[in-house]
Amino acid sequence: ETGVTQSPTHLIKTRGQQVTLRCSSQSGHNTVSWYQQALGQGPQFIFQYYREEENGRGNFPPRFSGLQFPNYSSELNVNALELDDSALYLCASSLRTSGNTDTQYFGPGTRLTVL
Amino acid sequence: AQKVTQAQTEISVVEKEDVTLDCVYETRDTTYYLFWYKQPPSGELVFLIRRNSFDEQNEISGRYSWNFQKSTSSFNFTITASQVVDSAVYFCALSEATGGSYIPTFGRGTSLIVHP
Repeated sequence: ETGVTQSPTHLIKTRGQQVTLRCSSQSGHNTVSWYQQALGQGPQFIFQYYREEENGRGNFPPRFSGLQFPNYSSELNVNALELDDSALYLCASSLRTSGNTDTQYFGPGTRLTVL
Repeated sequence: AQKVTQAQTEISVVEKEDVTLDCVYETRDTTYYLFWYKQPPSGELVFLIRRNSFDEQNEISGRYSWNFQKSTSSFNFTITASQVVDSAVYFCALSEATGGSYIPTFGRGTSLIVHP
């Protein structure tokens, strides 16, 4: 096990609602990244947080937002849910030091279904 | 822009067969990292290996081996004497230094099915 935990495991929402997903990073890690994985696809990068600030963002609209807390845990918020937001949301933690970022270790994911 | 291609969508083998998963990448950077991850049905991505662009040595770890060739931009993964527990989706990923954040781009994955 990687030590990265995510909650909830599964979630069902309806179109237009808002959702918050949570992630606790591995002990000693200071960077959290979020990915969306649609069925049959590879993970797509949403954004990354390093020391509580967004540090890189993929091609996702502003209704996808996040937070990182002082203990390096993180939240992913999605507003105005759309059917296409149905996917597995993966959180990955890593240790970033000056000039380098270590390997990302993934949590088990949250399966979001939007009806 | 970085790109990873895993041309094999699904591979089906019988237990104890050797199997090679292909990965071809594109990047303009001279410094980058390549990864392989395994995703069993439970959904969690399990890290298998990381290789940096300056180290072309092949690596063997138990039944797993990796063949990194910069000349062909490939980073292939071989499982020797496959087992049913190897059944999973395998992802190859590439990360370049983007402001130091090394955000990986994943391929679409290869689903490996090992039959008893």
